[in-house]
Amino acid sequence: DVKVTQSSRYLVKRTGEKVFLECVQDMDHENMFWYRQDPGLGLRLIYFSYDVKMKEKGDIPEGYSVSREKKERFSLILESASTNQTSMYLCASSFWTALAKNIQYFGAGTRLSVL
Amino acid sequence: RKEVEQDPGPFNVPEGATVAFNCTYSNSASQSFFWYRQDCRKEPKLLMSVYSSGNEDGRFTAQLNRASQYISLLIRDSKLSDSATYLCVVNPATGGGNKLTFGTGTQLKVEL
Repeated sequence: DVKVTQSSRYLVKRTGEKVFLECVQDMDHENMFWYRQDPGLGLRLIYFSYDVKMKEKGDIPEGYSVSREKKERFSLILESASTNQTSMYLCASSFWTALAKNIQYFGAGTRLSVL
Repeated sequence: RKEVEQDPGPFNVPEGATVAFNCTYSNSASQSFFWYRQDCRKEPKLLMSVYSSGNEDGRFTAQLNRASQYISLLIRDSKLSDSATYLCVVNPATGGGNKLTFGTGTQLKVEL
């Protein structure tokens, strides 16, 4: 079974703090993704990565950065947390095959509250 | 127009009912299609892929209509445990080929 592990289920941070969200996958997947999910807005892609040290902006990258130093680990960084970054953050990984066609597997999510 | 559109529901149905969800997508070049299920406060999980010829997995049937750019999910003999949000997911195959686009989901509530 694919396992995607996010380091925290719940986090409470203060405005202006630097926040690190960690994600690790154990299936040697090339692709990793960070989303945020808000009521009525669905899943929105923040950043993704096709390979080590490689990153691409998603639909809403402002206020976030990422790091992928090892294939299995993809970190999301909030440089200076703001209250509008309060959300559920979901990490996912995938690989492409003709059969799997980029099916994404998700971690359990981190519910972040910024006060 | 949103890339993937779904009726948000909720669909409230009695146990044993048949219920169908539709989803439309805007990019005619989209390559692959999925239905994911998301339980309350949990992560999305793959329910089934959607193939051009249609496919069935137990009580669940998925259909794809490329000409009209819509995908459907049919659930027969609904169970209480089917209560969840169902996400329509499309690989738009533009730009980053490995990205998926998620609909905002359709909420299903199965009641006694």
